[in-house]
Amino acid sequence: GQNIDQPTEMTATEGAIVQINCTYQTSGFNGLFWYQQHAGEAPTFLSYNVLDGLEEKGRFSSFLSRSKGYSYLLLKELQMKDSASYLCAVMDSNYQLIWGAGTKLIIKP
Amino acid sequence: IAGITQAPTSQILAAGRRMTLRCTQDMRHNAMYWYRQDLGLGLRLIHYSNTAGTTGKGEVPDGYSVSRANTDDFPLTLASAVPSQTSVYFCASSVSGSEAGELFFGEGSRLTVL
Repeated sequence: GQNIDQPTEMTATEGAIVQINCTYQTSGFNGLFWYQQHAGEAPTFLSYNVLDGLEEKGRFSSFLSRSKGYSYLLLKELQMKDSASYLCAVMDSNYQLIWGAGTKLIIKP
Repeated sequence: IAGITQAPTSQILAAGRRMTLRCTQDMRHNAMYWYRQDLGLGLRLIHYSNTAGTTGKGEVPDGYSVSRANTDDFPLTLASAVPSQTSVYFCASSVSGSEAGELFFGEGSRLTVL
């Protein structure tokens, strides 16, 4: 079956760096996506990786290793507003998105 | 309208009743989706539509139906609601092709079935 694994919850300190991991087993691969979802709100798109390596976008970076079925989202200079759930999703061979359950990130002052 | 709009934002419904969740987008996106989100689970696809006039079943289609009469609208209907359909429902849209994974979501509809 298809599976996306990510930690349920993480805690980090304001101003620090945090890495949220995602491992996947899917039928085919057409890209990996990260979304941010604040409590009570809709998910919003953060990043897209289809080739191995690091994609940087401001304070957020996303890394992909297709051979290992592994990705991470790196958040730098954490701010209180970064407290949210981070969803990892993989597009399979049918171009359907398979979603992880999300990682709830708690930022402490 | 800017983006994607869902209605109602919240609804309490008696079991056995029929309910339609509305979704409208003004971005002229070809693809539209309905997801449900439950605590501890990832977003689960109910139904999707790759273009106006076509629909397809997702991971959890039972008890739900959709239609796509035009590009903008993609309503989701619960023919006879059951308590297990209590959830938050998100409508989303995307362009086709390589950008299909960049979804734009509505604000969600919180449905409680008693």
